[in-house]
Amino acid sequence: EVKLLETGGDLVQPGGSLRLSCVASGFTFSNHALSWVRQAPGKGLEWVAGITGDAQGAYYADFAKGRFSISRDNSKSMLYLEMKSVRLGDTAVYYCVEGGPYFDVWGQGTRVTVSS
Amino acid sequence: DIALTQTPLSLSVSPGQSTSISCTSSQSLIHTDGKTHLSWYLQKPGQSPQVLLYEVRNRFGGVPDRFSGSGSGTDFTLKISRVEAGDIGTYYCMQSIQLPYTFGQGTKLEIK
Repeated sequence: EVKLLETGGDLVQPGGSLRLSCVASGFTFSNHALSWVRQAPGKGLEWVAGITGDAQGAYYADFAKGRFSISRDNSKSMLYLEMKSVRLGDTAVYYCVEGGPYFDVWGQGTRVTVSS
Repeated sequence: DIALTQTPLSLSVSPGQSTSISCTSSQSLIHTDGKTHLSWYLQKPGQSPQVLLYEVRNRFGGVPDRFSGSGSGTDFTLKISRVEAGDIGTYYCMQSIQLPYTFGQGTKLEIK
């Protein structure tokens, strides 16, 4: 069974940092592009960042550029999202998703709350 | 960025009836490879989203044939035939022809 499991969500103060992790199982990890998609409370879905299977390409939404960094460790089947200088507007559930150009596997999400 | 506009934003449908959701893109979603990168997702209450259709009309594994997709270029439609109680949730279209990938605002379906 293909699974994605996110961890690392927490309460963080504005301006702080956080690292989200996602462990994958059930598929050949290095063959697949991965992304982070977020959903603010009561709002819709928003793509955050994506990375190619070989980690050679990383792509970001404008709001994430310069603050967030996506990376992966194919030897551990792990995906990461480093978040720095977080803002109130970054409060959301963050989903790890597999695929491209469509997302066929979603994790259960990890909640990030930015608040003082 | 490519903007996707969904209409309506909410639906109330009786079981057994059919309904449709429109998704209009600000740019053509036809890729140079000939494929159209428009997919549909359903997020049931309290759950993660799940893919229903990709490349406009291709049903993902296990998705009932009550769900169908149509359209081309910039205008797309998701049709749900014989609506069931388990179809409730919020439906999103997504484009993946150009970064950043973008989603429609979502259409909330409820059962009468």
